[in-house]
Amino acid sequence: AQSVTQLDSQVPVFEEAPVELRCNYSSSVSVYLFWYVQYPNQGLQLLLKYLSGSTLVKSINGFEAEFNKSQTSFHLRKPSVHISDTAEYFCAVSDKQQGAQKLVFGQGTRLTINP
Amino acid sequence: DSGVTQTPKHLITATGQRVTLRCSPRSGDLSVYWYQQSLDQGLQFLIHYYNGEERAKGNILERFSAQQFPDLHSELNLSSLELGDSALYFCASSVSVDGNTIYFGEGSWLTVV
Repeated sequence: AQSVTQLDSQVPVFEEAPVELRCNYSSSVSVYLFWYVQYPNQGLQLLLKYLSGSTLVKSINGFEAEFNKSQTSFHLRKPSVHISDTAEYFCAVSDKQQGAQKLVFGQGTRLTINP
Repeated sequence: DSGVTQTPKHLITATGQRVTLRCSPRSGDLSVYWYQQSLDQGLQFLIHYYNGEERAKGNILERFSAQQFPDLHSELNLSSLELGDSALYFCASSVSVDGNTIYFGEGSWLTVV
């Protein structure tokens, strides 16, 4: 069975500092990988995804994540964070072969940006 | 705005009662998924429907049931509610049965008292 481990439940950083949110997955088959963001009192929004091809994927608001198959990781990074990035971030994996999009989520990482 | 619409946004009900949560997928999407987000269990997949047919089941209790109608909207029925059923219930949709990207609605907050 697939599983996702987000290594940090909370990450506090100062504004304009870099940040990395770590995600490791456990799966014996080919996978799709996702990062979703949940702003306070809102739903889940897709931030970025890895389906195939280039292992480095980017979002429109400056986040990027790199798929590392050998380390089964999909860490999320941003070189300079803003107050508005305060949110909970969820890493998720799905099995390419299942044919049905059953996402397995990590427990989430709460990113807090301090001024 | 993801285009996935869920109603109601908030619901408070008593133990033992039954509620129905409604979801309208994005225009053109045939797949609908239901997820539960709770403090102790995190985000869990409940069930997936594609064009009216059930395609996959996750950790969905027997007290819960879902269906997808011909107009593609979906309903999640929760019965014999318990305090532990209090959670945020998300609906999501994608265009195909193996859609590699799904889009989530804003969720329905259920509080059981």
